[in-house]
Amino acid sequence: DSGVTQTPKHLITATGQRVTLRCSPRSGDLSVYWYQQSLDQGLQFLIHYYNGEERAKGNILERFSAQQFPDLHSELNLSSLELGDSALYFCASSRGGRTKAGYTFGSGTRLTVV
Amino acid sequence: SQQGEEDPQALSIQEGENATMNCSYKTSINNLQWYRQNSGRGLVHLILIRSNEREKHSGRLRVTLDTSKKSSSLLITASRAADTASYFCATDLLLAGGTSYGKLTFGQGTILTVHP
Repeated sequence: DSGVTQTPKHLITATGQRVTLRCSPRSGDLSVYWYQQSLDQGLQFLIHYYNGEERAKGNILERFSAQQFPDLHSELNLSSLELGDSALYFCASSRGGRTKAGYTFGSGTRLTVV
Repeated sequence: SQQGEEDPQALSIQEGENATMNCSYKTSINNLQWYRQNSGRGLVHLILIRSNEREKHSGRLRVTLDTSKKSSSLLITASRAADTASYFCATDLLLAGGTSYGKLTFGQGTILTVHP
C-alpha cells in the first residue's frame, strides 16, 4: 500500500457518459498529479494541484476537469466519454509543489468505455 | 512527443545477469527519476538523480547522468525474476529562469523480463 488511495479500481461505462475518479493523497502530501496511461500514448500528464490550487496543466481535454478539495483529496471528472478515453488513470502525490523527491503513485483506476 | 526516450524497448535476460536501460531527453532538466511498474499496477519510485550529480546508487541499482549528452542509464545488478517489470525514466524540466515546470514527463519505458 503506497498510501495514495484511488477509487474505484475498475470502471466500465458507456460512450457519452460522465464519471468521477477519486484520489486521496498520502498523509502530509499537498500535491496531487493526474496521469493517463494508454498503450499508444504512454503516460500523459493531465493536471497538477497543490494545496487546492491548480499549478500546471498538461494534455487534458476540455471534456475533463479536476479539482482538489480542502481536505486535499482530488477528483478527476471525465464527461462525454469516448472509446478512446479507455485507459488507466493514475493519481500521484508529493510533499511539496516541486519534484525534489519522487512521486507516490496510487494503484490506478482502469476505465473501460464501451 | 515524449521528453524521455528509453532504450531498449524490451530486454530479456537470465537471473543473475545485469540489466542496463538507457534514457535520453531533449531539454535541460532539474532532476531525472526512474520508476518501476509491474503489469497494470501503480508506478514505484526507484531513484532520483539531480542535474549536478553524475552517479547514484541504491542497493542493486546504479544510475548515471550525463547532462552534456542529455542521457541517463539505469543498471540493475544481479537481476532477479522479481525485477521483471517496466522501467520508466521521468524528467523534471527546467524552464527559462531556472524554475521547474513542477511536473514529471515520462518516457515510453523499457520492458524488462528476467527468466529464472
